[in-house]
Amino acid sequence: QSALTQPASVSGSPGQSITISCTGTSTNVGKYNLLSWYQQHPGRAPKLIIYEVSERPSGVSNRFSGSKSGNTASLTISGLHTEDEGDYYCFSYARNNVGVFGGGTKVTVL
Amino acid sequence: EVQLVESGGGLVQPGGSLKLSCAASGFTFTESAIHWVRQAPGKGLEWVGRIRSRFNRYETSNPASVRGRFTISRDESRSTAFLQMDSLEIEDAAIYYCTRPTTDVDNHDWFFDLWGRGTLVTVSS
Repeated sequence: QSALTQPASVSGSPGQSITISCTGTSTNVGKYNLLSWYQQHPGRAPKLIIYEVSERPSGVSNRFSGSKSGNTASLTISGLHTEDEGDYYCFSYARNNVGVFGGGTKVTVL
Repeated sequence: EVQLVESGGGLVQPGGSLKLSCAASGFTFTESAIHWVRQAPGKGLEWVGRIRSRFNRYETSNPASVRGRFTISRDESRSTAFLQMDSLEIEDAAIYYCTRPTTDVDNHDWFFDLWGRGTLVTVSS
C-alpha cells in the first residue's frame, strides 16, 4: 500500500482556520471509516486527535474536527493556537489487515 | 500508571537481528492488541505491524515492506509484546514505537490512543 497523500506544509495565523487533506484510494480512505489523525510535536510520540473520521477522543479540543468525502479525508483546526504547531498524520485501514499513514503535514502558526 | 515502555533498541549491522520489547502496565494487556509504528530520522510515520489479543486468536499482520523479516509476538504473563526484526536493512533505522488501539473488537483496532516513548534502532556497518 502506498502512503496516503498529504500536503507537506500548511500555515495560518493565530485565530484562523486551516484544513489538511489526506487523499487515498477506494481501497483505503474511500472504502473504510477506519481513519484517524495524529498530532506530533518534536521529540514526542504521536497523539490521537481524531478517530473514525470525525470522532474526538476525550480531552481533545473541539477546535479539531474531521470529515471525509470520497477518497479524501480532511482535518480542520479552527481558531489556530501557537501550540497547534507540529506535524499531523492521517492513518487508514487499507484492507487485508494492513494500515497506512499519510506522509505528514507540518503546521506552522505564523 | 497506564503506559507502554519500549526497550531493546541499539546499533546493529545490516543483515543482523534485533528484538524489541514493549512492556505494558496500568491496563488489561490481555484484552488489548498492540501495534508497532516506526519513524526514520526526520521522516514520517510508518505502520510496521500488529498482534491482536487472545479474543482474536493473537492474529498478526505486517505491511509488505517488512513481511517475512519482522515477527510480532506477546507474552501475556509478562504483559509484554515483542518485535523480532531479522535481515535488517539500512532503511529499517528508525525510532520504533509500540502503541495500543482503543479497542480490539470487530477489526476496529486501528485507532491508537496510547503510545510509548519509542526505542531507537540504528542499522550501520
